[in-house]
Amino acid sequence: QVQLVQSGAEVKKPGASVTVSCKASGYTFTNYYMHWVRQAPGQGLEWLGIMFPGGGTTVYAQKFQGKVTMTRDTSTSTVYMELSSLTSEDTAVYYCARGDHGGNPPGPYWGQGTLVTVSS
Amino acid sequence: NFMLTQPHSVSESPGKTVTISCTRSSGSIASSYVQWYQQRPGSAPTTVIYEDNDRPSGVPDRFSGSIDSSSNSASLTISGLKTEDEADYYCQSYDGNTHVFGGGTKLTVL
Repeated sequence: QVQLVQSGAEVKKPGASVTVSCKASGYTFTNYYMHWVRQAPGQGLEWLGIMFPGGGTTVYAQKFQGKVTMTRDTSTSTVYMELSSLTSEDTAVYYCARGDHGGNPPGPYWGQGTLVTVSS
Repeated sequence: NFMLTQPHSVSESPGKTVTISCTRSSGSIASSYVQWYQQRPGSAPTTVIYEDNDRPSGVPDRFSGSIDSSSNSASLTISGLKTEDEADYYCQSYDGNTHVFGGGTKLTVL
């Protein structure tokens, strides 16, 4: 069965960077897009960007260009999301989600979420 | 880039029908598929509607989706409301490879 397993919670200081991983299993990793979505406490879902693991191509939300970097390791079927220059506004749960169906929207397979807390 | 606007909250009684709207700010609503997600507190979102009006297996047929080009909006309709339907609902669409979520609607079933 399809599974997306994310790395554990992180606590970072302002100005630092964080990398969250998402390990895929149960399907051909290079055949499906992977999204990253975040949710700040009490807020809605926010789309960060998308990667196509087959070729490594990425598209980032305009708001996050220069701040987010998505990479992948096809040997381990893992996608990584690095967020730099962290501020308290980056405190959120970060989700990876496989892109399925027409247009490759996020879902129905999601990771369990990774809480990133930015605090001095 | 476009935005998707949803009402902040809606409420309805068990057994009734509720409709949540999602209005696209620019570009045609029909130009890209619309998805709807349900999210309960502390959980990841789950897809209840994809490709405008299709339901994943396991989602009851009480959930339906539609689009209306005249108002440039999409709608999620839930009939026969149950208390378990109480959750946040998000619409989502895209333009090319850029994806956008609506701000979310809190559904209260009381």
